[in-house]
Amino acid sequence: DVKVTQSSRYLVKRTGEKVFLECVQDMDHENMFWYRQDPGLGLRLIYFSYDVKMKEKGDIPEGYSVSREKKERFSLILESASTNQTSMYLCASSLMGPDSYEQYFGPGTRLTVT
Amino acid sequence: AQSVTQLDSHVSVSEGTPVLLRCNYSSSYSPSLFWYVQHPNKGLQLLLKYTSAATLVKGINGFEAEFKKSETSFHLTKPSAHMSDAAEYFCVVSAARTAGRRALTFGSGTRLQVQP
Repeated sequence: DVKVTQSSRYLVKRTGEKVFLECVQDMDHENMFWYRQDPGLGLRLIYFSYDVKMKEKGDIPEGYSVSREKKERFSLILESASTNQTSMYLCASSLMGPDSYEQYFGPGTRLTVT
Repeated sequence: AQSVTQLDSHVSVSEGTPVLLRCNYSSSYSPSLFWYVQHPNKGLQLLLKYTSAATLVKGINGFEAEFKKSETSFHLTKPSAHMSDAAEYFCVVSAARTAGRRALTFGSGTRLQVQP
């Protein structure tokens, strides 16, 4: 069974803290993605990666960075958390090629910044 | 740029009645379109896909969608709603990004409620 896991389901951080969200997939997928989900806005792409050490900006990269040192792991970093980054964060992975649209999602991390 | 618009943020139906979730797309060429479903406290799951083959596509759990180029629509339907269909549904388009890499663009979502 395919699996994408995220390090925490719930996280509470203070404004200005550095925050790491970790995502691991066990499907040997080339592509990995980070989204944030907010009510009424759907999912918005923050960053994605199609190979180890490669990254591409998504639609809302400001305030975020990412790291992909190993194929199975993709980390999202909030350098200095702010209250407007309170959200649900979803990680996903997919194969390269024609089936790349089928993304497999993790359960999400609900981050609250106070 | 490609985008999708989900016309209803909430839809409520009675169990056993038809479901219609509306989606319009904007694209300069023939898009690849999808519907994803998110059940409460569960991860997102691909429901069905249109990738320029048959315009009427069937998905899991009795859902289907029809690609209508003349109307730029990709509405999701089901003949008879079941309580287990209550979830949030996202219309999605696959769009090329830099260096030919493709990524998904999600609509804002439609929350489906099913009344007993």
